[in-house]
Amino acid sequence: AQKVTQAQTEISVVEKEDVTLDCVYETRDTTYYLFWYKQPPSGELVFLIRRNSFDEQNEISGRYSWNFQKSTSSFNFTITASQVVDSAVYFCALSEVPGTASKLTFGTGTRLQVTL
Amino acid sequence: EAGVTQFPSHSVIEKGQTVTLRCDPISGHDNLYWYRRVMGKEIKFLLHFVKESKQDESGMPNNRFLAERTGGTYSTLKVQPAELEDSGVYFCASSPTSSYNEQFFGPGTRLTVL
Repeated sequence: AQKVTQAQTEISVVEKEDVTLDCVYETRDTTYYLFWYKQPPSGELVFLIRRNSFDEQNEISGRYSWNFQKSTSSFNFTITASQVVDSAVYFCALSEVPGTASKLTFGTGTRLQVTL
Repeated sequence: EAGVTQFPSHSVIEKGQTVTLRCDPISGHDNLYWYRRVMGKEIKFLLHFVKESKQDESGMPNNRFLAERTGGTYSTLKVQPAELEDSGVYFCASSPTSSYNEQFFGPGTRLTVL
């Protein structure tokens, strides 16, 4: 069975601080996808990134970066120089069978509060 | 292009009543998913449609939940009769056939059963 663990329930930082959101996953599949979604106060889940299990290269997109390490089954998300607009709930997710449509297994989410 | 829409945004009902949630996926998306988040817990998969067919309904909690997708367009999720533990936020998501699992989510319907 697949499982995603986000041990940090809530994180509070001051604007401009860097923050890392942890994600640890379990799966018996050798091929899978990992995702991060953002849920702002408006409620919808916004897709941030998808990572194939064969690609362990870290990715950077502006102030966002992701560190995928298969050896520790982790897919951590770092926001550099956080801003108030980054305040949201962030979900890590896992899906099996890349290339076909399949369900996502989510973690419980980490609520990030960025204050001035 | 319009995103995934869900109606209603909020619903408050009493235990034993019936509620129907609606999801309109992005036009042309064959895949439609329902998920639910009970407060503070993870978002859990309920079921997956490919066009009008149920591809995977392994997450449906019990037979009080009925999902349909007539004509492969919008979908409804009916809860009858509702119980207290059905309270939560119900999300709908859609994806095109070739999306490699990127799912586009709606804003959710917050259901409160009193």
